[in-house]
Amino acid sequence: QVQLQQWGAGLLRPSETLSLTCAVSGGSFTDYSWSWIRQPPGKGLEWIGEIDQTGSTNYNPSLKSRLTISRDTSKNHLSLKLSSVTAADTAVYYCARNYGYRSIADYWGQGTLVTVSS
Amino acid sequence: DIQMTQSPSSLSASVGDRVTITCRASQSITSFLHWYQQKPGKAPELLVYAASSLESGVPSRFRGSGSGTDFTLTISSLQAEDFATYYCQQTYNTPRTFGQGTKVEIK
Repeated sequence: QVQLQQWGAGLLRPSETLSLTCAVSGGSFTDYSWSWIRQPPGKGLEWIGEIDQTGSTNYNPSLKSRLTISRDTSKNHLSLKLSSVTAADTAVYYCARNYGYRSIADYWGQGTLVTVSS
Repeated sequence: DIQMTQSPSSLSASVGDRVTITCRASQSITSFLHWYQQKPGKAPELLVYAASSLESGVPSRFRGSGSGTDFTLTISSLQAEDFATYYCQQTYNTPRTFGQGTKVEIK
């Protein structure tokens, strides 16, 4: 069974860098692309970006200047870094596996709440 | 960006009711449309992919339809465990946008 386990700092000050890791187990890591998605408290889902099987990335233009998505294929880890955070970046962050050429998010991590507050 | 508009934003229904949620894309996305269910405090779960294909393990009372710009998620007979928020998402291109969600509440 595919499992995605996330971790990272849950409380940040404005201007700091958000850093999350997603560990994948129970299935192939390099055969799939992987996404990060976030959800501000009480609001809807926002696609952050993705990394494909070759390591190429696609980012949401609204976050692109601050965003880095990478992977470590030796550890089956996916990572997210978002710099210069503000209160608007407060959200639950999810990693997800993308299945097939339609990039269907079929497995999700448990979510990590990141709060940005001074 | 492709805008995804869901309606209604919320609805109240009773167990056994037939429920229909619509999702409209701002341009054609062919069948690159997927539906997710999210319960409070939990990650979203995939229900329907490619507009009309039921994810393994999802009850047959869920049905997706549509293509192009107009899509529908129908729950034929609402069950207690179906009270949740439902999201559509397009993966036709990036950024892969979501609808704003439809909250299904108990009447």
